[in-house]
Amino acid sequence: SQQGEEDPQALSIQEGENATMNCSYKTSINNLQWYRQNSGRGLVHLILIRSNEREKHSGRLRVTLDTSKKSSSLLITASRAADTASYFCATALDGSEKLVFGKGTKLTVNP
Amino acid sequence: NAGVMQNPRHLVRRRGQEARLRCSPMKGHSHVYWYRQLPEEGLKFMVYLQKENIIDESGMPKERFSAEFPKEGPSILRIQQVVRGDSAAYFCASSQNQGFGEKLFFGSGTQLSVL
Repeated sequence: SQQGEEDPQALSIQEGENATMNCSYKTSINNLQWYRQNSGRGLVHLILIRSNEREKHSGRLRVTLDTSKKSSSLLITASRAADTASYFCATALDGSEKLVFGKGTKLTVNP
Repeated sequence: NAGVMQNPRHLVRRRGQEARLRCSPMKGHSHVYWYRQLPEEGLKFMVYLQKENIIDESGMPKERFSAEFPKEGPSILRIQQVVRGDSAAYFCASSQNQGFGEKLFFGSGTQLSVL
């Protein structure tokens, strides 16, 4: 089964609005990462948040991590049509060197 | 500095044939990961390799699938006697360091279609 589960599965918003995606996971982690995938392309790393961090920012991206609830959220502010993509969370399990991905949130930003 | 290079981009095979997927990691990276993705799904981990060593193959099917990362040359994911269920996008990723959940750099993938 998947370690990380994103919610919602699909999200459609208008340009300029904020987009929030959530990720829940099951076991202890070393860190959590968010990736973006444009249709038919490979994944691109967006941001990494370590298990001892609660919030991290990168440009229009804001990631939070709540290890007590085993959840993370990715906020994209002032969205643009170019943000249309699938977004995946990935977790590094304690003691493991591999990243485990969720099924992703498909974001559509309408111009 | 070239990114992770995968080839071919598209590969069509008939049932029973062999598929060979190649991945050249980013310059300076010695850790390679292979993932498989079905349509509308996330990535499923297959195998993690360092030069000449398989570190974790817990996601690899026990039969027909093998992977290598030789001292010289690209990493190869080999699927023997392909079946229709092997049709998927196969992504390779590389990282610079060994570590728990290192940031990965992905290639553009190989789309395998089995007829």
